[in-house]
This record gives sequence, C-alpha cells and structure tokens, in this order.
Amino acid sequence: GAVVSQHPSWVICKSGTSVKIECRSLDFQATTMFWYRQFPKQSLMLMATSNEGSKATYEQGVEKDKFLINHASLTLSTLTVTSAHPEDSSFYICSAPGQLGQPQHFGDGTRLSIL
Amino acid sequence: AQSVSQHNHHVILSEAASLELGCNYSYGGTVNLFWYVQYPGQHLQLLLKYFSGDPLVKGIKGFEAEFIKSKFSFNLRKPSVQWSDTAEYFCAVTLGGGSSNTGKLIFGQGTTLQVKP
Repeated sequence: GAVVSQHPSWVICKSGTSVKIECRSLDFQATTMFWYRQFPKQSLMLMATSNEGSKATYEQGVEKDKFLINHASLTLSTLTVTSAHPEDSSFYICSAPGQLGQPQHFGDGTRLSIL
Repeated sequence: AQSVSQHNHHVILSEAASLELGCNYSYGGTVNLFWYVQYPGQHLQLLLKYFSGDPLVKGIKGFEAEFIKSKFSFNLRKPSVQWSDTAEYFCAVTLGGGSSNTGKLIFGQGTTLQVKP
C-alpha cells in the first residue's frame, strides 16, 4: 500500500488563487520531505527540501515566496502555491526518504491547472 | 553542477526486441542510483536501485542495470520488451554515501519508450 499520501490529486482553479498541497507519510515519520515539479514531457525537478521544525531549503531558481513550504509535524509537509498563475500549472510530486538503504517513497502527485 | 544525462530521448522498438537505455552521471563521489518508470497517467514506480555490492542489479519486470563506476554509467537493459513496457523511464541519483547522503534525487531528462505490438 501507499506509504506517502498526497492530496489533492487534481486541482483546477482561477489565476490568483492560492493552492495548498499536502504530503503525508503513513506509518512512518519523515523529518525530511522533498517537493518536485514535473512539466509535461519533462523530467522531475527538485524544488525544495522540507525540513521538520525548520525552514525549507529551496533549489536555485525556485521562488520562496511563491512556493511556501511548511513541515509542521513528522508526518505532514505542505506546499502552498501562492497567487498561482497559468505558468504554475504543472505536476507536483512529494517524496519522503526511506529508511537507511531504502529508496524514496513518492506520493501520487498533484496535477495543478491554473486557468 | 552534478547532473544526470540520458542519451536516448525517444526510443521505438518492436515487441521482443532488446532494450538498453543509457544513463551517465557527473559526480566523483559515492552515489546511489535508481531507475524509475512512469506509465501513462500514473506516478513514478521504482524499477531497480543500486546502493552497493554487485554492480549488476536486477529489478522488477525483467529489467536490469549495470553500474560501471569507471564510466559513471548505469544503463538499463531488458532482453525482450513487451508492449506493456511503453512508458517514460527516468534515471536518478542521490549523492553521498551513508549518513552524508541527503536523499535528494537528481533526475535525468527521461526516455520515452514506445513498444510497437
């Protein structure tokens, strides 16, 4: 079964709206989670590393004020796309590292469409 | 900067043909290597991984990959593809060994595999 739950799976909203995406680790604690973005026909690009109890670490070129990340507990990280615009339309995927020696667990992704 | 390069962007094969997808990475230290598959409309699934040990790794669905450290490569292979293997394939790495590994995945550009029945 799924070990990382991502919600919602699909969002369609108007330009200017803020959208929150949740990523939950099930049955295990994740002090770190990763947020990726995938544009159509392209690869996954790491946006940021979410750290429980501290600020997220953003990759170069990712706007911190645009993509707000909160890791409030050991099982939940949220990504908020603020004032979303059509160019923010993409597939957003979270993941949580596995235990030592194990690969990451990916969420099912959130398809965000901004009209 | 560290990167992952997949040489084949779009591969078209007939069923039963053999497959080899190239993957090279640029990093001089210890790496963990992965191949993921993404079927149309679905999320990423792990095909196989290499952390240490035998450089020839066997994964699910008949896939295997060989880590050649001297060539910084981790090519994916399958002796005989099926129509159901049509998907997007991603090579990825995490950098560093043991506790120094941050877990951040660096993905290649992806290879679209189309298998004709």
